[in-house]
Amino acid sequence: GGIITQTPKFLIGQEGQKLTLKCQQNFNHDTMYWYRQDSGKGLRLIYYSITENDLQKGDLSEGYDASREKKSSFSLTVTSAQKNEMAVFLCASSTSDWGSAETLYFGSGTRLTVL
Amino acid sequence: GQGVEQPDNLMSVEGTFARVNCTYSTSGFNGLSWYQQREGHAPVFLSYVVLDGLKDSGHFSTFLSRSNGYSYLLLTELQIKDSASYLCAVRDSNYQLIWGSGTKLIIKP
Repeated sequence: GGIITQTPKFLIGQEGQKLTLKCQQNFNHDTMYWYRQDSGKGLRLIYYSITENDLQKGDLSEGYDASREKKSSFSLTVTSAQKNEMAVFLCASSTSDWGSAETLYFGSGTRLTVL
Repeated sequence: GQGVEQPDNLMSVEGTFARVNCTYSTSGFNGLSWYQQREGHAPVFLSYVVLDGLKDSGHFSTFLSRSNGYSYLLLTELQIKDSASYLCAVRDSNYQLIWGSGTKLIIKP
């Protein structure tokens, strides 16, 4: 079995601050994802990556940057934190790209608070 | 527009059953998945269905009706530890996953 580790578990920042969230997986999966989970809403895709150094924007990419320098890691940067984006950020990985019935494996999330 | 709808909350009793509903309207359909998410924890995959009918996986069963845009997750012989949120996600014709907001299942002793 494998595991996805997200750090930090809780992240507190000031409005306008640049903040970075990290994700590591040891499944050796090709594809990794960043989702935002707001209370009362479905998961929304921010970025995904199908291989090392690949980046694809999701529906919610504005205000975020991502980086996939290694197959095992995928980081997300909030470029200028805003109070309305306080949420839980979930990282996930899967064995393949769109087009299959792949299972997503999730980390336990980073909860972002903006002061 | 596209959407996946789930009731916010559902309450049931230990030892009985619970049916978590999911309705969807998407551009095309390439399968529907169910995930369980306990408070403060990662979502965990439960089931994937792409054909109509009932798929029995023991403690969990999943039903799909593509013509009605409807699925449910049936949990039987409920235990307190089944208390969690249950997330429904539909893959559309572009293979993008559209997520419902989840149903919080509360199980009373």
